[in-house]
Amino acid sequence: GAGVSQSPSNKVTEKGKDVELRCDPISGHTALYWYRQSLGQGLEFLIYFQGNSAPDKSGLPSDRFSAERTGGSVSTLTIQRTQQEDSAVYLCASRPGPTNEKLFFGSGTQLSVL
Amino acid sequence: GDSVTQMEGPVTLSEEAFLTINCTYTATGYPSLFWYVQYPGEGLQLLLKATKADDKGSNKGFEATYRKETTSFHLEKGSVQVSDSAVYFCALILQGAQKLVFGQGTRLTINP
Repeated sequence: GAGVSQSPSNKVTEKGKDVELRCDPISGHTALYWYRQSLGQGLEFLIYFQGNSAPDKSGLPSDRFSAERTGGSVSTLTIQRTQQEDSAVYLCASRPGPTNEKLFFGSGTQLSVL
Repeated sequence: GDSVTQMEGPVTLSEEAFLTINCTYTATGYPSLFWYVQYPGEGLQLLLKATKADDKGSNKGFEATYRKETTSFHLEKGSVQVSDSAVYFCALILQGAQKLVFGQGTRLTINP
């Protein structure tokens, strides 16, 4: 596609359930990022992939959060045993390579944990 | 650690008013600085950037100057339009680093 695609656009889940959020980066972009945007907060960095490896996962809030990337393309962010404080917009971004500074963002997944 | 601080929002202005959104940063190294904009229902997109001291980034009538002495990168526009209503994020990345650090965002509303 032409841009970064995220699915679903909205997800409502019950506390304690697991959720998976998907990101399709722009074709050929080797670097992929996940950020979280909470109400009244800035963009909180979660994890960075270069290819299929994650050299920086320092922003993952707890061991309930994990992410993987396969084939140097699609990435999945998984949140286990969701809590109400996980409610936020989860943003994915990609860029062509590690030395190109411009990020291309998807429209995000709005996660609501009831 | 590295951080970005933006002026508190929301900001509400009338069309054709002058806009300033303040941004200051703290960085352990020598960063590049950015402004990203998020229009309603869309993803963030790069508005402008500056990579060294005294550089001025500009786009769509917006400008920001990299001020190393005041560690600032304030966003300005001389005459705003209703279509400028959006959330604006200031951000930095250190040389050789991979992670963009964002401020908390400033919501701007322009009334006709």
